Amino acid sequence: EDKVVQSPLSLVVHEGDTVTLNCSYEVTNFRSLLWYKQEKKAPTFLFMLTSSGIEKKSGRLSSILDKKELFSILNITATQTGDSAVYLCAVGAAGNKLTFGGGTRVLVKP
Amino acid sequence: EAGVAQSPRYKIIEKRQSVAFWCNPISGHATLYWYQQILGQGPKLLIQFQNNGVVDDSQLPKDRFSAERLKGVDSTLKIQPAKLEDSAVYLCASSLVVFFPDTQYFGPGTRLTVL
Repeated sequence: EDKVVQSPLSLVVHEGDTVTLNCSYEVTNFRSLLWYKQEKKAPTFLFMLTSSGIEKKSGRLSSILDKKELFSILNITATQTGDSAVYLCAVGAAGNKLTFGGGTRVLVKP
Repeated sequence: EAGVAQSPRYKIIEKRQSVAFWCNPISGHATLYWYQQILGQGPKLLIQFQNNGVVDDSQLPKDRFSAERLKGVDSTLKIQPAKLEDSAVYLCASSLVVFFPDTQYFGPGTRLTVL
C-alpha cells in the first residue's frame, strides 16, 4: 500500500522565520511529488517535482526531491502571516493517482 | 480560466438520508477525481474518471457511494444511506491528462455534516 508521511504535524513560527517541512514516501511506480497549500477548503497547487525536475523555486518557497532517499522538503523563507495554512504533500503514481500525506499545519505569528 | 466548480458548499443531513454532490471540472480536462477529506487528514481518493469511464474506484465504498460522469464533463457523487462517519469535505479535482504526471486542480469542496 502506498504511504506518504509528513512531519512535523504542526509548528508555530514568527514572521521572518524560515520553515522546513518534510515528506517521506513509499510508493509503487512513482511518477511525481506535489506540494499543495490548503487554507480553507481547496488545496492550491504549489510545486510538482519529477525525475526531470528535482528542485523547484518560486519566490520565498522552494522544494527539493531526493528520489534515492524517498523524501522531499518544502522550505519557506521570510515567513509571513499569509503563509499560515496546512501544507499537503502528495505522491503521484501510474495513472496520475495521488496519495496524500496527513499535512503539516503552519501558524505564522506576527 | 474558470476553476473547478462544486455545489453545494455545505450540506447537513441526518444519518440514513441520501445526499448528492455536483462537480464541473476545468474546461477541456479529461480526468476528474473525487476525494474525501476527514478533518485533520489528507484527502483520500474515492474515484477517478477518464472522460466518462472509471479508471480507479478501489477506495469507493460501493455499498453506499456511487458516482457518474455520463457525458464526460460534469459529475455527481451520491451517498445513500449516509452514516455518521461520512462527515467530511468532499473535494473534486480535474487534470488535463492521466497517463503522465499532470497537476490536479481542486474545487472549493462540499462540507458534509451527518447528524
